[in-house]
Amino acid sequence: DIQMTQSPSSVSASVGDRVTITCRASQGLRSWLAWYQQKPGKAPQVLIYSASSVQSGVPSRFSTGASETGFTLTISSLQPEDFGTYYCQQANTFPPILSFGGGTKVEIK
Amino acid sequence: QVKLQESGPGLVKPSVTLSLTCTVSNYSITSDYYWGWIRQPPGKGLEWIANIYHSGSTYYNSSLQSRVTMSVDTSKNEFSLKLKYVTAADTAVYYCARVDCSDTTCYVDLWGQGTQVTVSS
Repeated sequence: DIQMTQSPSSVSASVGDRVTITCRASQGLRSWLAWYQQKPGKAPQVLIYSASSVQSGVPSRFSTGASETGFTLTISSLQPEDFGTYYCQQANTFPPILSFGGGTKVEIK
Repeated sequence: QVKLQESGPGLVKPSVTLSLTCTVSNYSITSDYYWGWIRQPPGKGLEWIANIYHSGSTYYNSSLQSRVTMSVDTSKNEFSLKLKYVTAADTAVYYCARVDCSDTTCYVDLWGQGTQVTVSS
């Protein structure tokens, strides 16, 4: 199974800061990642899936990208409600085997 | 509104088989989605356990495959998980989920609220 390494494991940033979370895979990927936000005591909720598919209601400050170092989730201007833990997730369409990154906890300074 | 609801024992003893059921409301389980289980140990990250299609085709996390069985009951619009020989390491919140597989990826588009399972004697 593909292993996903997510970094950083935690970040503390101020309102208005740009925050970038990176995920790398243990082997080459044939699909885009999905990204989730989890608030304490709640189930995760998908933010973005595929290259540019944003879940309805997700603010435009959330975006994804790909670089030499891996796949990224960027919050362009951090807002107070963006606290929580973010997870990347990889899966090929078939077989539907999912792999989650270890998570990044985002705190507001 | 589509709803997924987990049910099962909150406390199980070590070495027994854990059984969980997810009831799907207001949506047919025979639609073109996979249905899955994901767990989260206390203070830790998410771990995918397994997926099933309404035809009965199953896909398991290789690290759990020897202990896990998923099944689906289309007449009841529910699917289930059995995890054998549980230990304290299986203590977690267990989520059932709807998995959408498109042309480019699979992702969880709908989650249950989660059910806490504690393994302890």
